[in-house]
Amino acid sequence: KQEVTQIPAALSVPEGENLVLNCSFTDSAIYNLQWFRQDPGKGLTSLLLIQSSQREQTSGRLNASLDKSSGRSTLYIAASQPGDSATYLCALGGESGGGADGLTFGKGTHLIIQP
Amino acid sequence: NAGVTQTPKFQVLKTGQSMTLQCAQDMNHNSMYWYRQDPGMGLRLIYYSASEGTTDKGEVPNGYNVSRLNKREFSLRLESAAPSQTSVYFCASSEALRGRRTSRGHFGDGTRLSIL
Repeated sequence: KQEVTQIPAALSVPEGENLVLNCSFTDSAIYNLQWFRQDPGKGLTSLLLIQSSQREQTSGRLNASLDKSSGRSTLYIAASQPGDSATYLCALGGESGGGADGLTFGKGTHLIIQP
Repeated sequence: NAGVTQTPKFQVLKTGQSMTLQCAQDMNHNSMYWYRQDPGMGLRLIYYSASEGTTDKGEVPNGYNVSRLNKREFSLRLESAAPSQTSVYFCASSEALRGRRTSRGHFGDGTRLSIL
């Protein structure tokens, strides 16, 4: 069974800092990996999707990397802003399901950016 | 764009009552999902439908049933609600055809369900 761990569980940093969120997984047979953002009382918003054949994806100030062999992904946030405050979730699609049979989620990193 | 729409947003039930959570997506996605989110447990998959006409169990299916009514709609039913089913329920969809590249997951805003 796939296990997904996110470190740290919580993080508070001053505005403007660059930061890295970590995600590790136990089964490297993944089809894809996504990073989501969740605001309090809201649903999830997909930030980046990395297919298993890819090494990284970038969107604006966000960069996500994937190393299947080591079972790791990182989400890099550049020049953090108070609006980045949210919970960030890592989720994996299993290879056996071809991406169609749902995601396995980590428990998230609760991020606070101090003004 | 509406995306994924869930109804209701909030619901309080008594133990033993039944109810159906509704979900609809307007993105013509093949795959739809129901998750529950609990403190300390993260999101867990209840049921999924990889295509219209098919449904499969996820990690925590006990106590639930689903119906993929058509390509747009995927409902979750609690036949006899129990306090352990108090949770936030999320519906999601994606363009995920087996063996082909997948799209990002799109989530609804959730249904907050309390069972007394």
